[in-house]
Amino acid sequence: KNEVEQSPQNLTAQEGEFITINCSYSVGISALHWLQQHPGGGIVSLFMLSSGKKKHGRLIATINIQEKHSSLHITASHPRDSAVYICAVRLNNDMRFGAGTRLTVKP
Amino acid sequence: DSGVTQTPKHLITATGQRVTLRCSPRSGDLSVYWYQQSLDQGLQFLIQYYNGEERAKGNILERFSAQQFPDLHSELNLSSLELGDSALYFCASSVAHITDTQYFGPGTRLTVL
Repeated sequence: KNEVEQSPQNLTAQEGEFITINCSYSVGISALHWLQQHPGGGIVSLFMLSSGKKKHGRLIATINIQEKHSSLHITASHPRDSAVYICAVRLNNDMRFGAGTRLTVKP
Repeated sequence: DSGVTQTPKHLITATGQRVTLRCSPRSGDLSVYWYQQSLDQGLQFLIQYYNGEERAKGNILERFSAQQFPDLHSELNLSSLELGDSALYFCASSVAHITDTQYFGPGTRLTVL
């Protein structure tokens, strides 16, 4: 079993829909990152969380340390949000990645 | 544009060869991280350098090595290349600590034939 599990693997939505991507992990962590990888391959760090909730524009990330679970929400989704979203957890001086969620937002 | 540069963008080489990938961090960032992204294994953390010193080590093979120079640029050396080393190699930088926001470079696509 992978230490970091993301769901769903693939997600197709209509423009304007509310999107939720989930990440569960099985190890103790010091922080959790959400990354966005564009179709061209470039990676952008969206959030780094160690507790609670963060918001940036239409993106919201939450983490529940006790339940070892994080969610990434996208409100009012747009075709430009189409990308692979990757959850990564930091274990002391190491980092483990989920397999990613491929999001397609249709106009 | 993240401010992190990587060269070359693409590299095609043969099995058994050695290559060097280069990364220049954002101005002011002291930490550099190297990652490998392959189709079968996804993203993997390789190694982190902070201000010239190795700070953290992930899943880096013994055939791979890295260093960070006094001007803070970093190089990842891959030797005795195998077909399975074909991947995207990303460099990222952050201000200091491993918990800081990381800024990713565009990646180097390595193809081993």
